[in-house]
Amino acid sequence: SQTIHQWPATLVQPVGSPLSLECTVEGTSNPNLYWYRQAAGRGLQLLFYSVGIGQISSEVPQNLSASRPQDRQFILSSKKLLLSDSGFYLCAWSDGTGAYEQFFGPGTRLTVL
Amino acid sequence: TQLLEQSPQFLSIQEGENLTVYCNSSSVFSSLQWYRQEPGEGPVLLVTVVTGGEVKKLKRLTFQFGDARKDSSLHITAAQPGDTGLYLCAGGNDYKLSFGAGTTVTVRA
Repeated sequence: SQTIHQWPATLVQPVGSPLSLECTVEGTSNPNLYWYRQAAGRGLQLLFYSVGIGQISSEVPQNLSASRPQDRQFILSSKKLLLSDSGFYLCAWSDGTGAYEQFFGPGTRLTVL
Repeated sequence: TQLLEQSPQFLSIQEGENLTVYCNSSSVFSSLQWYRQEPGEGPVLLVTVVTGGEVKKLKRLTFQFGDARKDSSLHITAAQPGDTGLYLCAGGNDYKLSFGAGTTVTVRA
């Protein structure tokens, strides 16, 4: 069966510090991978998605970047965090078929102070 | 941007009552998913509907996809406290999902 991992689970960072969040998927090959941000109790905003190694599509211009160095690894980064980067970050995968079903990781709670 | 509107935003009911959550859009979707999310956790997929007019039932939950594939509803019969959570609908096109803002459901014992 497929599993998706995210770490860290929580993170508190000062403004201006760098960021690296990691997501890995097990039990599947060549998944589509996604990074979302969620405001408290609200819907999900798609940040980046990737349909293959080294292929990154950005949905929202911002202070963040994403990379996919391996087939089942997706990384969200920032060189200098802003207060507005605080939020709940979710990674998801799908198998790329037409139903577009996505399966989510446990999330990372990021607080920028 | 494909906008999905969910209503109501908040819903609080007594255990045993029924509830319906709506998801509407002006866009046509290839598929529509419903997710349930608990605080501090990732959303969990409940159902996927792909055919206009499709109805799916999962125990006490009934999901319907509109004939034009622009809207959907989620109906819960005899709600239980375990049904409490944030319900999210999401429409799929071009390998991506567009999410609604969610409906927070609270079922009181």
